[in-house]
Amino acid sequence: SQQGEEDPQALSIQEGENATMNCSYKTSINNLQWYRQNSGRGLVHLILIRSNEREKHSGRLRVTLDTSKKSSSLLITASRAADTASYFCATESSGGSNYKLTFGKGTLLTVNP
Amino acid sequence: ETGVTQSPTHLIKTRGQQVTLRCSSQSGHNTVSWYQQALGQGPQFIFQYYREEENGRGNFPPRFSGLQFPNYSSELNVNALELDDSALYLCASSFTNRGPDTQYFGPGTRLTVL
Repeated sequence: SQQGEEDPQALSIQEGENATMNCSYKTSINNLQWYRQNSGRGLVHLILIRSNEREKHSGRLRVTLDTSKKSSSLLITASRAADTASYFCATESSGGSNYKLTFGKGTLLTVNP
Repeated sequence: ETGVTQSPTHLIKTRGQQVTLRCSSQSGHNTVSWYQQALGQGPQFIFQYYREEENGRGNFPPRFSGLQFPNYSSELNVNALELDDSALYLCASSFTNRGPDTQYFGPGTRLTVL
């Protein structure tokens, strides 16, 4: 079953603009991660935010986490055509003996040159 | 590019057949997880192997099985293929079976069941 739900399902912007994607989840988590996937290929890890963190930055990426609302957002600043991809949030939940990721359905980002 | 490789890249099978997919983990990683990604969906966890033992399983039937070898490479086997098994199969390796840890994904195997 899907844990996270990304919003919007699709986003189209112009190069140079900022892109914001949101993720909501249902159960308590240990951490939340964002991945990028180009054209149905493998996933690339972007950033991990722990449940006790509220904000994290990595280059042009900014992730926020609000555990009270069970939501996260990914902001990509000054977008480039190369940022065109699907973006997934994935949660690692408490209580398991193994480290598994539960993914949402993703946001398809298109950056137009 | 991660150091995780998968073979084959593409595969076409017919319903009822069996298939074996392979994954070589990144050097130094002892944990491999397998995911199924249907078209337009996010990846779904199939199972995880840690030091050659199954270490957790998602909501998949027993006809999905796996192996991990002493060099930590892994196989995913699917018996009695069904049309709904058509998907991208991703493996991911990590240094440990405990979070938080980054999972490094391979490029995937695209399986089509006719």
